[in-house]
Amino acid sequence: ETGVTQSPTHLIKTRGQQVTLRCSSQSGHNTVSWYQQALGQGPQFIFQYYREEENGRGNFPPRFSGLQFPNYSSELNVNALELDDSALYLCASSLMGSRGYTFGSGTRLTVV
Amino acid sequence: GQQVMQIPQYQHVQEGEDFTTYCNSSTTLSNIQWYKQRPGGHPVFLIQLVKSGEVKKQKRLTFQFGEAKKNSSLHITATQTTDVGTYFCLEETSGSRLTFGEGTQLTVNP
Repeated sequence: ETGVTQSPTHLIKTRGQQVTLRCSSQSGHNTVSWYQQALGQGPQFIFQYYREEENGRGNFPPRFSGLQFPNYSSELNVNALELDDSALYLCASSLMGSRGYTFGSGTRLTVV
Repeated sequence: GQQVMQIPQYQHVQEGEDFTTYCNSSTTLSNIQWYKQRPGGHPVFLIQLVKSGEVKKQKRLTFQFGEAKKNSSLHITATQTTDVGTYFCLEETSGSRLTFGEGTQLTVNP
């Protein structure tokens, strides 16, 4: 079975731009969640999608939005990028009701 | 809001010594999960605890869930250099909101 894959692995954007990060869930998983991890800190929960609907959200502003597609892949969109958005963005998938999340290797976003 | 306190933040041990990290929640949890993140890597699922007072073992790792389901611990016996990394607890609250602890960064001196 394939794991969780994220693209791109690295990205550099300018302040004020918009970015889209992509995630392919592990085969058979129907739930995907996104996290922001600053250097030396724990992952911060952005939101979770189940069956294409957002079913949980952390303390992130509306300029962080997402989508989950029928094949359970997902996108994270961030508008009006700020310097503090520079971080590792992690995607994780799971099967609703089962144990544990499988994480991708992340996208390292740098905003300059 | 929901907070997960995890201590210690850092732990340096000599190879062969034991290591423990603790997570404490401000609310009663339905379950708690533990993850390990190697330097430069991504979190990897270790285990999920669900029952009050539950104790689970994976080789040299022992996981405990408190009787009140508000705290949990991960204990490693006789650490090895392969244990190096940051250990996180993760709690899921109602409304499918997920909160990681701040993590305990473990270094092991050979």
